[in-house]
Amino acid sequence: AQTVTQSQPEMSVQEAETVTLSCTYDTSESDYYLFWYKQPPSRQMILVIRQEAYKQQNATENRFSVNFQKAAKSFSLKISDSQLGDAAMYFCAYRSAAGGGADGLTFGKGTHLIIQP
Amino acid sequence: DAGVTQSPTHLIKTRGQQVTLRCSPKSGHDTVSWYQQALGQGPQFIFQYYEEEERQRGNFPDRFSGHQFPNYSSELNVNALLLGDSALYLCASSGRASSNQPQHFGDGTRLSIL
Repeated sequence: AQTVTQSQPEMSVQEAETVTLSCTYDTSESDYYLFWYKQPPSRQMILVIRQEAYKQQNATENRFSVNFQKAAKSFSLKISDSQLGDAAMYFCAYRSAAGGGADGLTFGKGTHLIIQP
Repeated sequence: DAGVTQSPTHLIKTRGQQVTLRCSPKSGHDTVSWYQQALGQGPQFIFQYYEEEERQRGNFPDRFSGHQFPNYSSELNVNALLLGDSALYLCASSGRASSNQPQHFGDGTRLSIL
C-alpha cells in the first residue's frame, strides 16, 4: 500500500516571502499522479497543482511550483510571494495510474500554513 | 457551472443510528468518490462509484455502503453509527473514469455522533 508523509505539521511565513512544504511518499509503482490540495477553513478541498510521474518537468501554476524527485520519492510545494489568502491546510496526495481511475487518493496528514502579515 | 454539492452540511446523530449523506457531482462528471476526514487528519478513501457500481473500496467496514443513481449523484450510508464515525465526509467527482482526471471536492458534511 502507498503511504504519504508530510513531516511539517505547521509552517509560518511572512507575507510576500517564499515557503516550501515537504512531502515524501512510498510506492512500488512506476506510474502514478501526485497532487497538492489546499483546504481553507471553509472545508472545501481545492486542487493547487498536480504532477504526472512520467513527466520529468516540474509542474508550475502561477505562484505555485513543485520539486518532484522521483528517485527520492519526494514532492515538495513551493509558494512564492505568499499572500494572506494562501493560509490553509495543505495536503499532499498520491493516486495510482494502474487502476484506470478507480483508485482513490491517498493523503498525507497535512501541513497548516500560517501567513504572517 | 455548479461544482460538487453535498447535503446536509451538518448532521448530529446518536450511536446505533443510521445516516444517509448525499452528493451531486460537478456538471460533466460521472465518477464519485467518498472520503472520511477525521479531525486533524487527511481524508481517507472510502469507495468510488462509476456506472452505478462500486469500483474500488478502501479499508472501511461493511457498515459503510453507497449508491450511485443514473444521473450520477450518489449517497453514502452508514449503519450502526459509532462515536468514531464522527468526521467530515467529503465527496469528490471526476470525469470519465480516467486516472488523468483530477478530483473536484465538495464542501463536505460534518457528522457528529453523540
